[in-house]
Amino acid sequence: RKEVEQDPGPFNVPEGATVAFNCTYSNSASQSFFWYRQDCRKEPKLLMSVYSSGNEDGRFTAQLNRASQYISLLIRDSKLSDSATYLCVVNRGYGGATNKLIFGTGTLLAVQP
Amino acid sequence: EPEVTQTPSHQVTQMGQEVILRCVPISNHLYFYWYRQILGQKVEFLVSFYNNEISEKSEIFDDQFSVERPDGSNFTLKIRSTKLEDSAMYFCASTPDISNQPQHFGDGTRLSIL
Repeated sequence: RKEVEQDPGPFNVPEGATVAFNCTYSNSASQSFFWYRQDCRKEPKLLMSVYSSGNEDGRFTAQLNRASQYISLLIRDSKLSDSATYLCVVNRGYGGATNKLIFGTGTLLAVQP
Repeated sequence: EPEVTQTPSHQVTQMGQEVILRCVPISNHLYFYWYRQILGQKVEFLVSFYNNEISEKSEIFDDQFSVERPDGSNFTLKIRSTKLEDSAMYFCASTPDISNQPQHFGDGTRLSIL
């Protein structure tokens, strides 16, 4: 079983749509959770950290359910510029001198005009 | 906002040659990381480095790979004898400490092995 699993997509949505990404992780010792966005052949860029209480940043809302080992990202009112691959990322962080990020394969989003 | 910088942006090398990829982490950061991404695949952890030694490495990071912080600013990844399957994007990241904060990546080096 993959440590971080995501639906690969692609998700094709019209501008203005709401789109939801889901992710599950297998290691219950995982410490912290993030969504990154990656444009074609570019570096991953942090979109937002994910907290158990849920957090929102403008049109983006992230949720974490530790009991279900499930992470979500909701994008409201999607824009053409939201087209990218969305990466679910988990910090395994066993403690000590390690801070390793584990990446999902990413979900490709294509927002259509 | 401070950034991680990487050079070169693209490196083309013959199989069997040595390559050195360079990274300048954010100043005052103490933890450094290399990741790679083969085209069409996910980003994979290679190695983390702290206090002038490797703190963790993945199975990918075999004896052909090494990392070094030769001076106060650069963090390098060396591949001793490149193989075709080393062709990938290589990303560097740094963090100020070991807390569970996000890592910010440099814009990567595209390594092409011929």
